Amino acid sequence: AQSVTQLGSHVSVSEGALVLLRCNYSSSVPPYLFWYVQYPNQGLQLLLKYTSAATLVKGINGFEAEFKKSETSFHLTKPSAHMSDAAEYFCAVSEEDSSYKLIFGSGTRLLVRP
Amino acid sequence: NAGVTQTPKFRILKIGQSMTLQCTQDMNHNYMYWYRQDPGMGLKLIYYSVGAGITDKGEVPNGYNVSRSTTEDFPLRLELAAPSQTSVYFCASKAQPGTGSGNQPQHFGDGTRLSIL
Repeated sequence: AQSVTQLGSHVSVSEGALVLLRCNYSSSVPPYLFWYVQYPNQGLQLLLKYTSAATLVKGINGFEAEFKKSETSFHLTKPSAHMSDAAEYFCAVSEEDSSYKLIFGSGTRLLVRP
Repeated sequence: NAGVTQTPKFRILKIGQSMTLQCTQDMNHNYMYWYRQDPGMGLKLIYYSVGAGITDKGEVPNGYNVSRSTTEDFPLRLELAAPSQTSVYFCASKAQPGTGSGNQPQHFGDGTRLSIL
């Protein structure tokens, strides 16, 4: 069975600082990987998804993620944090069977200090 | 463009009551999913459906039932509400394979916040 691990349930950065949210996955085959963002009292919004076409994936709101097969990682980064980035971020991997159900990490809450 | 619509947004139930959480999507997606979100636990899959008339259990199906009579609708039913079912429930849908394969993302509704007292 696949699994996703997000290191750090809370990450705090200053406005303008680099954002790094960590995600490691376990999969025996090339995975389908996603990052979602959840703002308070809202549903999940897709930030970006991994496709085999490129290891560096650009998403919305200036976020990007790099797929590293050797490290089984798909960390999310943003060069300069903005107050509006404060939210919870979820990494997910799609199950390998025909259900395509998502296996989620436990989430990382990003706090942005002024 | 409505996407995935969930009703109600909030509900308080008494122990032992029943209710149905509604989910409808207007994207003609074959795949639909119900998740529950508990603090610090991420999202756990309750049930899913790969098309009308076909449903299957996820990771945490106990205490829930689903049906899928149309492509658009995927209601989730709680028969005998228990405090352990206090959670936020999310419905999601996804395009079928052949229209971009497995890396098509799931689209989520805004959730139903359910408290059972």
